[in-house]
Amino acid sequence: EAAVTQSPRNKVAVTGGKVTLSCNQTNNHNNMYWYRQDTGHGLRLIHYSYGAGSTEKGDIPDGYKASRPSQENFSLILELATPSQTSVYFCASGDFNTEVFFGKGTRLTVV
Amino acid sequence: QQQVRQSPQSLTVWEGETAILNCSYENSAFDYFPWYQQFPGEGPALLIAIRSVSDKKEDGGFTIFFNKREKNLSLHIKDSQPGDSATYFCAASVNYAQGLTFGLGTRVSVFP
Repeated sequence: EAAVTQSPRNKVAVTGGKVTLSCNQTNNHNNMYWYRQDTGHGLRLIHYSYGAGSTEKGDIPDGYKASRPSQENFSLILELATPSQTSVYFCASGDFNTEVFFGKGTRLTVV
Repeated sequence: QQQVRQSPQSLTVWEGETAILNCSYENSAFDYFPWYQQFPGEGPALLIAIRSVSDKKEDGGFTIFFNKREKNLSLHIKDSQPGDSATYFCAASVNYAQGLTFGLGTRVSVFP
């Protein structure tokens, strides 16, 4: 069964600190995505990737970096976390003619 | 400007009724429209999807009606059950590889 696993599931970070959110998929999909979900804004695309070594900016990339070291792994990096980045983050994977599968999310609180 | 708009924001129906969720979009280049269902504490899960070459798609008790000329679509949930209580998101894409654009969601509550 298709699976997208995110870690950690919950994270509290301090303002100005570095945060790394990790995502692993066992679907062998080429494309991976990072979204954030906020009340009043729905899900918004931060970064995406076409495959290992590729990262592309989505609709709201400011303040975030991404890394795709392998087909299976895609990380989201907040170099200097701010309270405005408090949100629920979802990783997803997909491919041509397949559905996009989402992970269970990471709840990040920046204090 | 929200490229994908959903209405109503919330909807309450009784068990056995048909719930109707609406979605409209701005970008004429959108050609793929999935609907996702999300339960609290979970990630969105694909419910049903339609491509712009079709005007109707059925899967079990879920039906999408699509109007390309008017740039809108609707999701009908037939014979709603309390287990269908969730938030439903309409999404759209131009190029599947570049991700989905989501609406703000419709929260559906089904009462027995």
